[in-house]
Amino acid sequence: AQSVTQLDSQVPVFEEAPVELRCNYSSSVSVYLFWYVQYPNQGLQLLLKYLSGSTLVKGINGFEAEFNKSQTSFHLRKPSVHISDTAEYFCAVSGNTDKLIFGTGTRLQVFP
Amino acid sequence: DGGITQSPKYLFRKEGQNVTLSCEQNLNHDAMYWYRQDPGQGLRLIYYSQIVNDFQKGDIAEGYSVSREKKESFPLTVTSAQKNPTAFYLCASSIGRRRDQPQHFGDGTRLSIL
Repeated sequence: AQSVTQLDSQVPVFEEAPVELRCNYSSSVSVYLFWYVQYPNQGLQLLLKYLSGSTLVKGINGFEAEFNKSQTSFHLRKPSVHISDTAEYFCAVSGNTDKLIFGTGTRLQVFP
Repeated sequence: DGGITQSPKYLFRKEGQNVTLSCEQNLNHDAMYWYRQDPGQGLRLIYYSQIVNDFQKGDIAEGYSVSREKKESFPLTVTSAQKNPTAFYLCASSIGRRRDQPQHFGDGTRLSIL
């Protein structure tokens, strides 16, 4: 069975600082990995996805993530955050079932 | 523009009452999903459907029911058997049973008990 762990429930950061949101997964088969963003009272929006190939994946809004198979991680990064990046971020994994398994989310709070 | 429409945005349920949440998509997707979101618990799968007239239970199906009579529509009924229905409900869709395809989400329905 697959599982996803988001190690930080909240990440506070000042505007224009870099940020990393951590995600680790477990799976006995090859996986597809996704990061979603959720703004207050809205649904989830896809930020980026890793399917195969290059381990560095670029997404929307300046975010990128690196797939590390040996460490079973898929951490999300942004070199300089904006106030508008304040939101909840979810990591998700798709393995050998037709379900998507979500982590519990990380709330990114950007301060001016 | 294609997308997923959930209605209503806010819904209130009285004790012993069944309520139905609407989900409609015009993305021509075969698969549709219902999730429940509670603070600090991420998304939990309630029901999903890969094709019309067929659906499967997710991880927390008790107290819920669904139907899939049309490809575009996947309504969720929260029955009186669901003792703690207060949550944010999200509907999603994807292109069939392909693990590499992301899910697309509606803007959710917030259900509260009166």
